[in-house]
Amino acid sequence: AQSVTQLDSHVSVSEGTPVLLRCNYSSSYSPSLFWYVQHPNKGLQLLLKYTSAATLVKGINGFEAEFKKSETSFHLTKPSAHMSDAAEYFCVVSGISSYKLIFGSGTRLLVRP
Amino acid sequence: DGGITQSPKYLFRKEGQNVTLSCEQNLNHDAMYWYRQDPGQGLRLIYYSQIVNDFQKGDIAEGYSVSREKKESFPLTVTSAQKNPTAFYLCASGQKYEQYFGPGTRLTVT
Repeated sequence: AQSVTQLDSHVSVSEGTPVLLRCNYSSSYSPSLFWYVQHPNKGLQLLLKYTSAATLVKGINGFEAEFKKSETSFHLTKPSAHMSDAAEYFCVVSGISSYKLIFGSGTRLLVRP
Repeated sequence: DGGITQSPKYLFRKEGQNVTLSCEQNLNHDAMYWYRQDPGQGLRLIYYSQIVNDFQKGDIAEGYSVSREKKESFPLTVTSAQKNPTAFYLCASGQKYEQYFGPGTRLTVT
């Protein structure tokens, strides 16, 4: 069965320092993987996606993620945090059934001035 | 202006009343989805539809109903049978695995 684990429920960084949000997945086949961001009381916005092409995926707002099959990981990074990055981030894996997604429990990113 | 719209943004109802949440998309996507989000939790799938006039139960369908009479519309009814309906409801549409989300409706039942 497909599953996804976000290793940190909260991450706090200072503005201008690197961001690392960790995600491990489990899948019985080659999955598609996604990161979404959600600002308070808003819908989810797609940051980036991996669909079996390049293992280093670049997304919007300077975020990127690297697919590591040997480690079953898909960590999200950004070189320098901005105050506007403060939000909830969800790691998502494709399910067995076409069209279905499996969501992690989320990581809340706090950016300190 | 393409996208997914959900209305209303905030909704208040008395316990025992049914309530219908609207979701419309003009992205020409085949699939549409309803999710529920509770504080500190990820999204849980309520119902999804891959084509018009067809829909499937998700992981937490009890107490909810949907219809898909048009490609653009996928309304969700929260019935009085739903034990704990207060939550943030998100609608999405997509093709294959990629999904795009609406702004959400926050439902409060007292």
